[in-house]
Amino acid sequence: GAVVSQHPSRVICKSGTSVKIECRSLDFQATTMFWYRQFPKQSLMLMATSNEGSKATYEQGVEKDKFLINHASLTLSTLTVTSAHPEDSSFYICSARVSGGQGSGANVLTFGAGSRLTVL
Amino acid sequence: AQSVTQLDSHVSVSEGTPVLLRCNYSSSYSPSLFWYVQHPNKGLQLLLKYTSAATLVKGINGFEAEFKKSETSFHLTKPSAHMSDAAEYFCVVSATSGTYKYIFGTGTRLKVLA
Repeated sequence: GAVVSQHPSRVICKSGTSVKIECRSLDFQATTMFWYRQFPKQSLMLMATSNEGSKATYEQGVEKDKFLINHASLTLSTLTVTSAHPEDSSFYICSARVSGGQGSGANVLTFGAGSRLTVL
Repeated sequence: AQSVTQLDSHVSVSEGTPVLLRCNYSSSYSPSLFWYVQHPNKGLQLLLKYTSAATLVKGINGFEAEFKKSETSFHLTKPSAHMSDAAEYFCVVSATSGTYKYIFGTGTRLKVLA
């Protein structure tokens, strides 16, 4: 089945530094990937839709200069948290859509294992 | 506009007893509906999905859900809970056309008592 790999799983950084999180589709091509943020004991909030070869589409209230998304290939999207602050500490999860056809995987999002960011 | 409501934030059941996690949805399109499970500090795993085929959907680990259009519900059930079922469960709605954005419910934390 479709697998999405997310790295790193955990990262601790100092306030003011930038952190990059990678999301890879391992056995399929993903023209669209999605980035979510999850606060403790809360649901997932969509941050942005990452489109291969074009600019990401950000949800209302998400700072695009703070959360830089690059989707340079059909199998890789990256989220960079720039000048991180403690309030950016969260669990970030990426997902990719297995698109096309009427098979069991159609229109299903496959999620990465998540990245827990802690900003000191 | 699409939305999904999970009626219970916490559910506790004894091991071996049935599980019922409730979900109601609202969608202006013919919806696709999903249930995902999340174990602590892990990503989300797809349990099952409804995409306008059979209204009773069977998923992994003995879970199933029934799509009831008249009630706008998509409740998740399992006949007999296992300790390993303890996790957070999310009901999700997506349009079958358009942007394929997922709208997540607020989650239901399932606790299984020995």
